[in-house]
Amino acid sequence: KNQVEQSPQSLIILEGKNCTLQCNYTVSPFSNLRWYKQDTGRGPVSLTIMTFSENTKSNGRYTATLDADTKQSSLHITASQLSDSASYICVVSALGTGTASKLTFGTGTRLQVTL
Amino acid sequence: NAGVMQNPRHLVRRRGQEARLRCSPVKGHSHVYWYRQLPEEGLKFMVYLQKENIIDESGMPKERFSAEFPKEGPSILRIQQVVRGDSAAYFCASSPWMAGDGTQYFGPGTRLTVL
Repeated sequence: KNQVEQSPQSLIILEGKNCTLQCNYTVSPFSNLRWYKQDTGRGPVSLTIMTFSENTKSNGRYTATLDADTKQSSLHITASQLSDSASYICVVSALGTGTASKLTFGTGTRLQVTL
Repeated sequence: NAGVMQNPRHLVRRRGQEARLRCSPVKGHSHVYWYRQLPEEGLKFMVYLQKENIIDESGMPKERFSAEFPKEGPSILRIQQVVRGDSAAYFCASSPWMAGDGTQYFGPGTRLTVL
């Protein structure tokens, strides 16, 4: 069964600090891995996407890593801002059976950035 | 350049009533996906539709739930005889092509509360 597990479940950090969120997955056959940011009351917005051959991808202060051998990914947020407060969701795409990709969603890490 | 629109944003129904959720995809997108998010859980795939066709409904309960994406107009997710367990956030996503890499754009969601 395809699964995506994220840790920690929640995290509180001070503004300006860095943090790293973790994602472990068992999805096969693997297509790609995305990190999404979901603000409260909004839909998820894609931050990064990585395929099997990529092991790092940056988007501003967000840097994602992927280790396809250990099936682990991390999202590092640098110099956090109050607006980074959101849920961060790891989503792994499996190759479909000729139709749409199958997406498996993690339950997310709830990040709160405080003053 | 409107993104995915969903309405209503909040919907309250009493047990036994019908809930009708609407999703207008990004202009030009012909593929629509519906997801359900229970409190403290990840998004779960329900159904994938193209115009006038249901491609994959493997995540949708067999009873009481139905979805359509007509040639004209929004996609509709219909829940008949709602029960308290149907209370959740329902997200719609769209893509312009068969989403082989998982590229989907999410709407803001409809929060259904069943009293």
